[in-house]
Amino acid sequence: DADVTQTPRNRITKTGKRIMLECSQTKGHDRMYWYRQDPGLGLRLIYYSFDVKDINKGEISDGYSVSRQAQAKFSLSLESAIPNQTALYFCATSDGDALNSGANVLTFGAGSRLTVL
Amino acid sequence: DQQVKQNSPSLSVQEGRISILNCDYTNSMFDYFLWYKKYPAEGPTFLISISSIKDKNEDGRFTVFLNKSAKHLSLHIVPSQPGDSAVYFCAASGIGNTGKLIFGQGTTLQVKP
Repeated sequence: DADVTQTPRNRITKTGKRIMLECSQTKGHDRMYWYRQDPGLGLRLIYYSFDVKDINKGEISDGYSVSRQAQAKFSLSLESAIPNQTALYFCATSDGDALNSGANVLTFGAGSRLTVL
Repeated sequence: DQQVKQNSPSLSVQEGRISILNCDYTNSMFDYFLWYKKYPAEGPTFLISISSIKDKNEDGRFTVFLNKSAKHLSLHIVPSQPGDSAVYFCAASGIGNTGKLIFGQGTTLQVKP
């Protein structure tokens, strides 16, 4: 099984629908992240969580919400999807303790491709 | 305002030759720089990193060079192999190494047999 699992892998929905993307991890990491990838823009941070009680907005949080249900689970919701939210979404985890000894290396899931019509 | 920039969207090299991928940044306070590789239908995977106090880090065929005065880093792959064909992302660790990464746009590398 993958260290970071994202579901669904692909979803097509219509404008105005509510969508939830789920992420679970077996790494035992405290820190979890949601990124979005668009062509020509790289990956941009939507939300991040450093533990179950800590949720923070990233650079593009408008139109999104998150829930950290447990250490291992971090879900991303689009309350009312719009076409410009069509993108590839990645969940990632990292070990916060590693920050004291080196770069904070993120482990990514395989991605969830969302299309909003 | 793009703090991390990869100005070459694509690069094509011959198998066995050197691949050089470039990255520029604007914030001199970044603590670490990382390179990730991404294959189609997979998530990015960590390749190599470098601390802002170093100017070179090497791991097998991969070497990252950091030029702080120019706010520029590069990834060298020698020798290049067809399996290296992928999208490469440069990323910088945010101020204070909080764990947030700021990514460049990515460069697609094609290594021809």
